[in-house]
Amino acid sequence: AQSVTQLDSHVSVSEGTPVLLRCNYSSSYSPSLFWYVQHPNKGLQLLLKYTSAATLVKGINGFEAEFKKSETSFHLTKPSAHMSDAAEYFCVVSDTTGKLIFGQGTTLQVKP
Amino acid sequence: DAGVIQSPRHEVTEMGQEVTLRCKPISGHNSLFWYRQTMMRGLELLIYFNNNVPIDDSGMPEDRFSAKMPNASFSTLKIQPSEPRDSAVYFCASSLARSSGANVLTFGAGSRLTVL
Repeated sequence: AQSVTQLDSHVSVSEGTPVLLRCNYSSSYSPSLFWYVQHPNKGLQLLLKYTSAATLVKGINGFEAEFKKSETSFHLTKPSAHMSDAAEYFCVVSDTTGKLIFGQGTTLQVKP
Repeated sequence: DAGVIQSPRHEVTEMGQEVTLRCKPISGHNSLFWYRQTMMRGLELLIYFNNNVPIDDSGMPEDRFSAKMPNASFSTLKIQPSEPRDSAVYFCASSLARSSGANVLTFGAGSRLTVL
């Protein structure tokens, strides 16, 4: 069965410093992986997706993620945090039927 | 496109009342998903439809919950009777499901339900 584990429930960074949100996945086949972001009182928005093409995936708002099969990881990074990045981030894996399985989420706090 | 449209955005009701949440997916999308989000359990998939047919309803908590998709442009999630533990944000999402490749979901803004 497919699953994702987000290693940090809460991450706090200062504005202008790098962001790292960690995600490990479990899948019996080559997975499709996603990162979604949810701003307060809003729906979820797709940040980026990996579908077995390039292992380094670039998304919106300067975010990117690298698929590492040997480490079963799909960590989300951004070189320089902005105040508007404060939100909840979800790592997601797609199962064989196309159903999405969400991680528990990581809350990103950005301090001025 | 206006995106996935959900109504109502907020609903406050009393225990025992019937609640109906509505969703209009993106035109042309053939899959529709209902999720529930709570602090305790995170995001849970309740049910999803493909071409208006329910494919997997294993996430529906109990018989008090039912969902319908009478046509490609409309779906409802009904709770009858409602209970305080049903208080949550309910999200509808739609996608264009392909036989291969990633299934990218577009989410609505959610319906926040409070059952007193």
